[in-house]
Amino acid sequence: TQLLEQSPQFLSIQEGENLTVYCNSSSVFSSLQWYRQEPGEGPVLLVTVVTGGEVKKLKRLTFQFGDARKDSSLHITAAQPGDTGLYLCAGGGSGYSTLTFGKGTMLLVSP
Amino acid sequence: DTEVTQTPKHLVMGMTNKKSLKCEQHMGHRAMYWYKQKAKKPPELMFVYSYEKLSINESVPSRFSPECPNSSLLNLHLHALQPEDSALYLCASSPGQGAKGAFFGQGTRLTVV
Repeated sequence: TQLLEQSPQFLSIQEGENLTVYCNSSSVFSSLQWYRQEPGEGPVLLVTVVTGGEVKKLKRLTFQFGDARKDSSLHITAAQPGDTGLYLCAGGGSGYSTLTFGKGTMLLVSP
Repeated sequence: DTEVTQTPKHLVMGMTNKKSLKCEQHMGHRAMYWYKQKAKKPPELMFVYSYEKLSINESVPSRFSPECPNSSLLNLHLHALQPEDSALYLCASSPGQGAKGAFFGQGTRLTVV
């Protein structure tokens, strides 16, 4: 069974601060996705990374896939209250694979 | 159109009721999924359909019955549910290859009374 460990589980910061969320596994994944979910809503896909060492930027969010494709990180610069939500990483295998979800990181950004 | 649409958004049902959740996507995705999510937990996979055929059933009780009438639609039929089945039910779809990620609907908040 492939497992994804996310850390931290909960993060409460002030507006303007930087933060990093980690997603680690002992298994190799073909791809890794990051989602953000707000209460009562479905997860929204933020990014997919597929190549070891890949870095993708989405405005103030920077995503990195580890060289060995076993881990990933999400860095947010100058966090804003609108960034508040549950951040989920999910690893994908090949083919019509299912996603293995981490337990999520609940981020609260206060004004 | 990059949306996955789920109806209804909220549903309250008794333990003897029969109801159905509906999901629709028009992105040409050939894989569709049902997930169950409890509060403060990640989504848990229930069923996977690929090319309109059930490919994965994660040992889900028979009171949940999925159906894929065509490549754009996915239903989840509910019968004789228990209060512990109350949760957010999420539908998702993805292109053939899992590497491209999945797109989720807004979910149906189900309460069983």
